[in-house]
Amino acid sequence: EVQLVESGGGLVQPGGSLRLSCAASGFTFNSYWMSWVRQAPGKGLEWVANIKEDGSETYYVDSVRGRFAISRDNAKNSLYLEMSSLRAEDTAVFYCAREYDSGYHFYFDHWGQGILVTVSS
Amino acid sequence: DIQMTQSPSSLSASVGDRVTIACRAGQSIGTYLNWYQQKPGKAPKLLIFGASSLQSGVPSRFSGSGSGTYFTLTVTSLQPEDFATYYCQQSVSTPRTFGQGTKVEIK
Repeated sequence: EVQLVESGGGLVQPGGSLRLSCAASGFTFNSYWMSWVRQAPGKGLEWVANIKEDGSETYYVDSVRGRFAISRDNAKNSLYLEMSSLRAEDTAVFYCAREYDSGYHFYFDHWGQGILVTVSS
Repeated sequence: DIQMTQSPSSLSASVGDRVTIACRAGQSIGTYLNWYQQKPGKAPKLLIFGASSLQSGVPSRFSGSGSGTYFTLTVTSLQPEDFATYYCQQSVSTPRTFGQGTKVEIK
């Protein structure tokens, strides 16, 4: 069974830093692109970043580029999101998600349960 | 970035109703369009990928259609467990973008 379990969330002051982790199990982690997707309270879904199977390529939404860094450790079956210079508008539930490549289509077929990050003084 | 626009933003329906949600892309995305269902406090769940392919385990009352810039998600006979928020998402390019969501409420 595929499982994605996020950790590392919490309350942080504006301008602070936080590192999210996502522990993956039940599948061959190093065979999949992985993403972080967030959802501000009462709002819709926003894709944040993704990373290639071997970590050689990363992409970000404009609003976090230069402040967030996605990485992975395939030996530990883990995905990370290093967040710095946090702003109030970064307050959200963050989900890690597996992006499945069917050979023609890409889609998020498995999601973690989400972890809340609150940026507030 | 490719903008995704859903309509309506919310709708009220009764059990057994046929419901259709629309999603429009800001530019042609072929069939690189996915649909997700999200219930309060839960992670999104994949329903449809590639515009019209039903994800394994998803009831056949859900269907998707469309290509290019216009897509629809249809539920043929709404069940109590279908009351949720639905999102479309394009996967033709990065950044991946989602529609703003359509909340399906009980009438």
